Amino acid sequence: QTVVTQEPSFSVSPGGTVTLTCALSSGSVSSSYYPSWYQQTPGQAPRTLIYNTDERSSGVPGRFSGSILGNKAALTITGAQADDESDYYCVLYMGSGISVFGGGTKLTVL
Amino acid sequence: EVQLVESGGMVVQPGGSLRLSCAASGFTFDDYTMHWVRQVPGKGLEWVALISWDGGGPSYADSVKGRFTVSRDNSKNTVYLEMISVRSEDTALYYCVKGVLIGSFHGDAFDIWGQGTMVSVSS
Repeated sequence: QTVVTQEPSFSVSPGGTVTLTCALSSGSVSSSYYPSWYQQTPGQAPRTLIYNTDERSSGVPGRFSGSILGNKAALTITGAQADDESDYYCVLYMGSGISVFGGGTKLTVL
Repeated sequence: EVQLVESGGMVVQPGGSLRLSCAASGFTFDDYTMHWVRQVPGKGLEWVALISWDGGGPSYADSVKGRFTVSRDNSKNTVYLEMISVRSEDTALYYCVKGVLIGSFHGDAFDIWGQGTMVSVSS
């Protein structure tokens, strides 16, 4: 069974830069997995940040960017702000309509 | 404004059945794949199912295959999730999600999310 792995937690200072990653239990992540990223704050529905590796969803600030770094998908937040403190989820497309979420990363801004 | 409104969540006994609905507005509904994603309170997100713009696909997570059926009525701008033989592990908030791509579901991602409807499986 394919497992998608994210860092359980991460912290960043206000104004700092942080890169969250999304890996496969076996194999490398490439753009062929169409990685996407979602932000969720407690009690709220998720919000789409990035899809198709690096395309920003409508209204998403430019400080959020997606990429492939080595063998992982990555979400980079440049100039972190207090309200970026959230849970972040990646999704990889496995083919045949199947998508798999990572376990999520809890980002703290302090 | 794009809007997705889920309904149908309830308390149901193990082994029971229910149908969730999602009413869509603010976009050309029959252009897009629609997804269901669920979340156990306090836990992570799990993709459940998708249905293509024309009712094709559909695709399911292994955890629900054979028990859940996704369908849509493009004349009513509504997507459904029929759940049978429910288990305690199906207890979750179920989100209806609009896909990103027009047409094909290959490589689709999640665009607009509803607020969710809660399903509790308990005796």
